[in-house]
Amino acid sequence: GDSVTQMEGPVTLSEEAFLTINCTYTATGYPSLFWYVQYPGEGLQLLLKATKADDKGSNKGFEATYRKETTSFHLEKGSVQVSDSAVYFCALRYGGSQGNLIFGKGTKLSVKP
Amino acid sequence: AAGVIQSPRHLIKEKRETATLKCYPIPRHDTVYWYQQGPGQDPQFLISFYEKMQSDKGSIPDRFSAQQFSDYHSELNMSSLELGDSALYFCASSLESSGGDVEETQYFGPGTRLLVL
Repeated sequence: GDSVTQMEGPVTLSEEAFLTINCTYTATGYPSLFWYVQYPGEGLQLLLKATKADDKGSNKGFEATYRKETTSFHLEKGSVQVSDSAVYFCALRYGGSQGNLIFGKGTKLSVKP
Repeated sequence: AAGVIQSPRHLIKEKRETATLKCYPIPRHDTVYWYQQGPGQDPQFLISFYEKMQSDKGSIPDRFSAQQFSDYHSELNMSSLELGDSALYFCASSLESSGGDVEETQYFGPGTRLLVL
């Protein structure tokens, strides 16, 4: 079945460091790909998404490119801030009313000042 | 902009009791999803509804049931609660009927944290 694999955390970085969180997927079709972020004690917020191969999603300085050839959707940010500390989930889904999200295990990011 | 509303935000129950969680989707959204997130885990899909009809079913126990009402709000009913049901329960909504990819994004509520003692 379809699945998402994320790099294991936790990831600890200093402020202004470069961030990469790896995400690869296994899919039988052509899903849309998402990154959601969960701040401590809060719900899931959509960070960015891409709906087809070679699309790049971006938001708040974060970017991810849908790579069909490597089945990857790695999350990157050039300069992290303390406020970026959260758990990041990579996910996929297909369109339509049966398109539930399939999540990776999540990667906890801690940014130190 | 209006977001997904869930109530209650926190709930404490004893084993074998019942619980009802409510979800109010974003206005005009026609699809509701329920997810369960155990401590330190990724969210797991439970069940979804499209236009008030069940559209898909995931790892939802038989002790749980859900429905979507005429005003599109949804309720998750949980009976014979077990310790392992302690989790964060998310509701998400989306607009599927337009067929466009922008509308298919799922927007999550803040969750209901259920603790079973």
